[in-house]
Amino acid sequence: GDSVTQMQGQVTLSEDDFLFINCTYSTTWYPTLFWYVQYPGEGPQLLLKVTTANNKGISRGFEATYDKGTTSFHLQKASVQESDSAVYYCVLGDRSSNTNKVVFGTGTRLQVLP
Amino acid sequence: EAGVTQSPRYAVLQEGQAVSFWCDPISGHDTLYWYQQPRDQGPQLLVYFRDEAVIDNSQLPSDRFSAVRPKGTNSTLKIQSAKQGDTATYLCASRQDWGTTTLYFGAGTRLSVL
Repeated sequence: GDSVTQMQGQVTLSEDDFLFINCTYSTTWYPTLFWYVQYPGEGPQLLLKVTTANNKGISRGFEATYDKGTTSFHLQKASVQESDSAVYYCVLGDRSSNTNKVVFGTGTRLQVLP
Repeated sequence: EAGVTQSPRYAVLQEGQAVSFWCDPISGHDTLYWYQQPRDQGPQLLVYFRDEAVIDNSQLPSDRFSAVRPKGTNSTLKIQSAKQGDTATYLCASRQDWGTTTLYFGAGTRLSVL
């Protein structure tokens, strides 16, 4: 079935460190891949999306690309800040069929220490 | 533009009691999703609609859960006889059209079943 796997459950960094979070996906669709971020007490919100393999999504200093060959999708940021502490979800969406299903990964909790 | 509105924000029940959650999506968004998010886990899809039609309710525990969207706008999710295992945050999300569009989430209803 369609799935998203995030192996990193928790990442702890210091301010100005480099962030790299990876996920892998499995689907028979033509995927659009999203990174959503969730702060405590709030619903997830879109951070960025990538609709085409090898293209780059950029938002708020974060970058993401997905590799169709390895079915991987990664999120990176050159220099994290304490305010980036949140849970980051890799999300798989379908851009071609009529199902319109959206599948979430299990999330990566980022803690940035001052 | 108003976001996705959910009510109530919190609910506390005894096992066996019933509860309803209400969602008002963003105006013009034809697709509406309900997710269940247990503590420290990612959102898990329960059911989603396009307009008033259920597209997929295969993950909805049909013996106790029901969801409707009668006019293709607001939606109600109901738990008939709550169990402790239903303790979670229930998130509503909406999007316009298919495929690559952004999913917008409400803040959620946090349910505790004692």
